[in-house]
This record gives sequence, structure tokens and C-alpha cells, in this order.
Amino acid sequence: DIQMTQSPSSLSASVGDRVTITCQASQDISNYLNWYQQKPGKAPKLLIYDASNLETGVPSRFSGSGSGTDFTFTISSLQPEDIATYYCQQYDNLPRTFGQGTKVEIK
Amino acid sequence: EVQLVETGGGLIQPGGSLRLSCAASGFTVSSNYMSWVRQAPGKGLEWVSVIYSGGSTYYADSVKGRFTISRDNSKNTLYLQMNSLRAEDTAVYYCARDDGSGSYDAWGQGTLVTVSS
Repeated sequence: DIQMTQSPSSLSASVGDRVTITCQASQDISNYLNWYQQKPGKAPKLLIYDASNLETGVPSRFSGSGSGTDFTFTISSLQPEDIATYYCQQYDNLPRTFGQGTKVEIK
Repeated sequence: EVQLVETGGGLIQPGGSLRLSCAASGFTVSSNYMSWVRQAPGKGLEWVSVIYSGGSTYYADSVKGRFTISRDNSKNTLYLQMNSLRAEDTAVYYCARDDGSGSYDAWGQGTLVTVSS
């Protein structure tokens, strides 16, 4: 199975800050990586697919980059509504695997 | 509008069985890849199973031989039959539509399964 390692596991930032989350795959997954946002008590929501493509309707302050084994997710200017846990997910192979999540809080 | 609604969760004793349903609207289940993803309380997301549009099915090792994914095309509904349930199967179970590449672009609200005596 492909292991996905996210860091940090949690972070606290101020409104307007730039926030960066990293995700590392245990083997080369090309660009077969997604990023999801999950708010408390809600289902996950797809934000970024193919490592860097923004899902329709997702604000442009969210972005993703990377390929191979190393990926980055960025919120360019943190907003109060961005408080959530963010997960990366690979779809190069079955089983699909997720990172352990990064909880984003407002300082 | 695409919508997924899961039902069937509840409290079940270890060793018991439960069937989850996921009723879809706004698209055709049989024309899409459909998955179950679960989340134990306070934990991360874990892929459980997928059924492809052609009918092939795949499972996580943790549930293989105990869970069965299926669909009813006439009801546009996805199912997860869960047998020999264990405490570690306790989780919120989500059904999700796979856009065909491995991205889950639609999710249900989830249904909680609690395995406990």
C-alpha cells in the first residue's frame, strides 16, 4: 500500500496568513493526488484534483502543487471559514489511501 | 443536483451484520465508480471498497471477506453488506462517487456504525 504522510498534523494561523501543508507519498504517484477539506460533522469536500487543479466553485486562494512523491497545499490568505481538517489522497493505486489530516485553526 | 443519502447505521453487537444503503439522485450509480469510505471517531479517512461501472469490486484488506459492496440499478442505490463486525469497524461510513479517475467529487452525509456489546 502507498503511505501518505502529511505535515504538520495541526497548525494555528491568523486570518490573512499564508498556510502551507505538505504531503509525501511512499512511492512515485505522478500527479495522482487530491486534497479534501472536512469541516466538523460534515463530509469531506474535494478542493484540488490531479495535484494542482482547482475543483469547480472552489475559491482561488486554495492551490496545490507537486508531483512524484512530494506535494504542497496552500491557502494564500486564511479566512475564518477555512477552519477545517485537510486531507491528501492518492489515486495511483488501490487501496486509495489518505494522509492522516492537518487540522487548521485560527490563532 | 447530485445527492447521496446513506441509511442503515446503528448499534450492533460484535459478530453481527448490518447493511448500509446509499440512495443516489441526480446521476446514475451504475454508470459511475462508487466507493465506501469510513472514518473512526476522531480519526482520519479510510477507503473501504469500490464498485466499478463494469461491476468489478475491490476491498481494503481490513474488510475483505467480511464486507460486500453491491448496487441495485433499478433503485439507483449502493449497498455495503457488513458481516462479522468488529469493534474496530466502528466509524461513520460515507458513500462517495468516484469521478472515474479516483477523485471523490460527491459524498453522502455519512451514517454511524457502532459495534459494541
